[in-house]
Amino acid sequence: NAGVTQTPKFRVLKTGQSMTLLCAQDMNHEYMYWYRQDPGMGLRLIHYSVGEGTTAKGEVPDGYNVSRLKKQNFLLGLESAAPSQTSVYFCASTRAGRRDEQYFGPGTRLTVT
Amino acid sequence: AQSVTQLGSHVSVSEGALVLLRCNYSSSVPPYLFWYVQYPNQGLQLLLKYTTGATLVKGINGFEAEFKKSETSFHLTKPSAHMSDAAEYFCAVSDEPGGATNKLIFGTGTLLAVQP
Repeated sequence: NAGVTQTPKFRVLKTGQSMTLLCAQDMNHEYMYWYRQDPGMGLRLIHYSVGEGTTAKGEVPDGYNVSRLKKQNFLLGLESAAPSQTSVYFCASTRAGRRDEQYFGPGTRLTVT
Repeated sequence: AQSVTQLGSHVSVSEGALVLLRCNYSSSVPPYLFWYVQYPNQGLQLLLKYTTGATLVKGINGFEAEFKKSETSFHLTKPSAHMSDAAEYFCAVSDEPGGATNKLIFGTGTLLAVQP
């Protein structure tokens, strides 16, 4: 099992450009999450999904959109990147209905210039 | 609202010394508590978790943590630090009965340095 994978691993964008980050999991988990990690701020939840076709806002959703068209995939989109979105992005997944730990991907390091 | 406080953003210990990383939480219901470790340029991996039952929880790599309800704490310890323990450590809480979303609230992290 690959667990949770993220593509790409690194990306540099210019202000105003758009991009999509892909998260895939092979553990048949129902719930998936996108976080951003910034120095001294821990992990902050951007958006999450409790099932295929459903998404919800987290703590810091502005400037991001998500889609969950397939159970195993969770996409994070930046329509018009800003320097404030320079961060490391992590995807995570877990089973439904149980207060289990979340399983994390290796991260995507995004720089917006 | 639930929250997690990790005292000390940077902790430095000598190899072989005791490691103590502090975590305090606030929760409106019985919490589930987690410690994660993040090695440089990697994702987070679970060290240990407390759900119910025994309040002293043992995890991987010789780490353990004790849930103290009266102190609302879940401090992480290891008797003897190893160079390979150098990493960032995150405490997290889930206080959502039934796991409707399984969201976790994370602390801001503690970076552990181990000196030779």
